[in-house]
Amino acid sequence: EIVLTQSPATLSLSPGERATLSCRASQSVSSYLAWYQQKPGQAPRLLIYDASNRATGIPARFSGSGSGTDFTLTISSLEAEDFAVYYCQHRNNWLSFGGGTKVEIK
Amino acid sequence: QVQLVESGGGVVQPGRSLRLSCAASGFTFNNYGMHWVRQAPGKGLEWVTVISYDASNKYYADSVKGRFTISRDNSKNTLYLQMNSLRAEDTAVYYCAKQYDDLNYFDYWGQGTLVTVSS
Repeated sequence: EIVLTQSPATLSLSPGERATLSCRASQSVSSYLAWYQQKPGQAPRLLIYDASNRATGIPARFSGSGSGTDFTLTISSLEAEDFAVYYCQHRNNWLSFGGGTKVEIK
Repeated sequence: QVQLVESGGGVVQPGRSLRLSCAASGFTFNNYGMHWVRQAPGKGLEWVTVISYDASNKYYADSVKGRFTISRDNSKNTLYLQMNSLRAEDTAVYYCAKQYDDLNYFDYWGQGTLVTVSS
């Protein structure tokens, strides 16, 4: 079973700052990794798939990178609506999610 | 537009059963795999099960294997989750989610239905 570890657990930043979120896999998942955003009381929303491809309608300030075991979600300049919890998810042979990173307002 | 609407959640005693439904619209339901994903209160996301577009393939997380059964009725555009032998640790919001093309990602989600297992 592949375990995804997200860090940090919480990221405290101000609007306009750059956010860098990490997702590390216990073994290689190639590029088969997605990122989701979840706001309180809402379902998750797909942001990035296959490590670096933005889903339909996702703003360009969201970008993904990485392959193998180390992946990064970058939000280039935080806007008010970006403060949320972010999850990574792999699809290499099986499916699982990371534990999440909360991006909160500093 | 794509809509997924879950129903069937509620409070159930340990050991009992419950069936969830997910009504789909706005896309060609019988072209896509469908998933159930759950989220315990205040916790992260846990993938539960997937069914292929034609119901020929079904896979389950170890935590629910042998207790939960996924099914679909393509004539009714509806996905189901039969949950038997429920445990306290099955308490969660259950989301149905549409598969993104032929990739095991989730591009549309329902609003979720809460299942509470408690005596």
